[in-house]
Order: sequence, then structure tokens, then C-alpha cells
Amino acid sequence: EVHLEESGGGLVQPGGSLRLSCAASGFTFNSRWMHWVRQAPGKGLVWVSHIKSDGTGTTYADSVKGRFTISRDNAKNMLYLQMSSLRVEDTAVYYCAGDWAYGLDVWGQGATVTVSS
Amino acid sequence: QFALTQPPSASGSPGQSVTISCTGTSSDVGGYNYVSWYQQDPGKAPKLMIYEVSKRPSGVPDRFSGSKSGNTASLTVSGLQTEDEADYYCGSYAGSSNWVFGGGTKLTVL
Repeated sequence: EVHLEESGGGLVQPGGSLRLSCAASGFTFNSRWMHWVRQAPGKGLVWVSHIKSDGTGTTYADSVKGRFTISRDNAKNMLYLQMSSLRVEDTAVYYCAGDWAYGLDVWGQGATVTVSS
Repeated sequence: QFALTQPPSASGSPGQSVTISCTGTSSDVGGYNYVSWYQQDPGKAPKLMIYEVSKRPSGVPDRFSGSKSGNTASLTVSGLQTEDEADYYCGSYAGSSNWVFGGGTKLTVL
């Protein structure tokens, strides 16, 4: 069964850091591009970041560029999002998702990140 | 706020058809045949319903169909069923390994 499971969410103060992890199983992780997508409470989906299958290429939304870093460990079937200089507006549920023909066909259940003092 | 524009709400009665639009620009929707649609139930993760404008993943009913004309993509749900009530989001590849989403449409089955 295809499965993604995020972990590492929590409450952090503005300016703090947090690392999200995403464990993949049931598919060939090392052949898939992967994404992080977030959703603020009561709001829509926002694309955050993308990484190519071998980790050589990464892109970021302007709102997180320079503060967030996406990475992966194909040997462990893991995807990561290192978040630093966190802002109140980064508060959201963060989903990891797998890419299929430029659509996102497999999603985790989400990790909640709350940035508040 | 969102790169792609969707109507905030849509509705229809059981058995009817409803179409949700998604308007972008020539840099995203109009520039690539990589439009996707997602269904999201409250408190759940999104589910891919359409990819590459009009293709359905395995298991998605053929009542769901997608199309595109110029900078506007559309999702049509035919033969509405009560379980179709959900939020729907469009997404598009925007070039240079960037993606964008719409603000979402709440579909109500009356």
C-alpha cells in the first residue's frame, strides 16, 4: 500500500526552527519527485517546495525561499523540510506529496506546525 | 493571494452536473497541459482526481472530467452524488519547477 507519513510538527516561537520528516512506503520512492504543500487553518493549498528524485534539483515558493530547505534520503525512503526563521504566517498543516505527471497523487496525513509566542 | 482563480462556491442537486472553473495565465494553466484537480474532505488530505488536464487516476469515477481552453481549466462533475460534496482545488505546473494552486471551491450538493 502506498503510504506517506509526516512527523516533526509542533509549537515553535517566531524566529525558531523545526524539521519535518516524511516516511514513504509502498512505492519506488527514489524514482519520484516529491513536494511539500501547506494549508493554513481554514485556507487553501499552497505549494511550498519540490525536490527531484535524486535530490539534485530543488525549488521553493517565494514566501519560504532562503528560510526552508527540502532534502531527501533515498536510502531511508525519507523526505525532509528544514524550516528556520519561522513566522506566525507559517502556521499551517504541512503535507508531503509524491509527484505523478506534474500532479500530486499520493499525500500524507499532514503535520501541524504552529508558530506562536 | 492564490495564483489561480476559482469561484469560492458551487452547488447542484443530486444527478445534475456542475462545472468548476480555474483561471490562470499563459505562464501556468495556458502554458502547460499539466493541470490537476484535487478533492478534499474536511480534516483530510487532498485526493488527486484529475491530472494532465483530463486524465483520471485509477479508481476515480468517470463522472469526473477535466478540460482546458486557453488560460482556463474546468472540472465537471456529472451525475452529482452526495459524497461529492467537498472542497476542490486546481493546481498547475508554472514552469521552472514551480507549481501553483487555486484558492479552492466548496461544492455543495443540495
